[in-house]
Amino acid sequence: KQEVTQIPAALSVPEGENLVLNCSFTDSAIYNLQWFRQDPGKGLTSLLLIQSSQREQTSGRLNASLDKSSGRSTLYIAASQPGDSATYLCAVYTGGFKTIFGAGTRLFVKA
Amino acid sequence: DTAVSQTPKYLVTQMGNDKSIKCEQNLGHDTMYWYKQDSKKFLKIMFSYNNKELIINETVPNRFSPKSPDKAHLNLHINSLELGDSAVYFCASSQETGPLGSQYFGPGTRLTVT
Repeated sequence: KQEVTQIPAALSVPEGENLVLNCSFTDSAIYNLQWFRQDPGKGLTSLLLIQSSQREQTSGRLNASLDKSSGRSTLYIAASQPGDSATYLCAVYTGGFKTIFGAGTRLFVKA
Repeated sequence: DTAVSQTPKYLVTQMGNDKSIKCEQNLGHDTMYWYKQDSKKFLKIMFSYNNKELIINETVPNRFSPKSPDKAHLNLHINSLELGDSAVYFCASSQETGPLGSQYFGPGTRLTVT
């Protein structure tokens, strides 16, 4: 059974710091991995999608990597800003229209 | 121009009532989903619909029933509501071939059962 774990559960950093969020999954047989952002009381926004054949994806200050064999992904946020404060979720697609989510990492960037 | 919309945004109701949540997407996607996010923030898939056909149905009580009148809509009907049904429900959509591409989520419906 696929399980997705995210650490840390919560993170507080000063503005300007570079940071890494971690996601691990137990079954390497995935089609893709997706990182989402969720703001309090709001829906999810897709940040980056990495296909199983890819190693990383970049969008602006965000960089996501995927090591499928070890069951790990990281989301790197450069030069963090207060506006980056949100919960970050990773999710793996395992086929059959099923996506498994982690519990998320709550990020707080202090001004 | 909202891609995936849900109504209502908030829903407060009493135990035993029947309620519906509506979802519409204007992205032309063929697959739509319903997720439940519990108090611990775990997102769990409830249903997937592809071309108006139920693809998967997790261990969800049969009090929950998805209804898809057309490709752009996937509504969620809940009968005999229970306290444990309180959660945020998210609708999402993706391309026909499953979520090989990005999933787009609605803003969520916060359901509170009293």
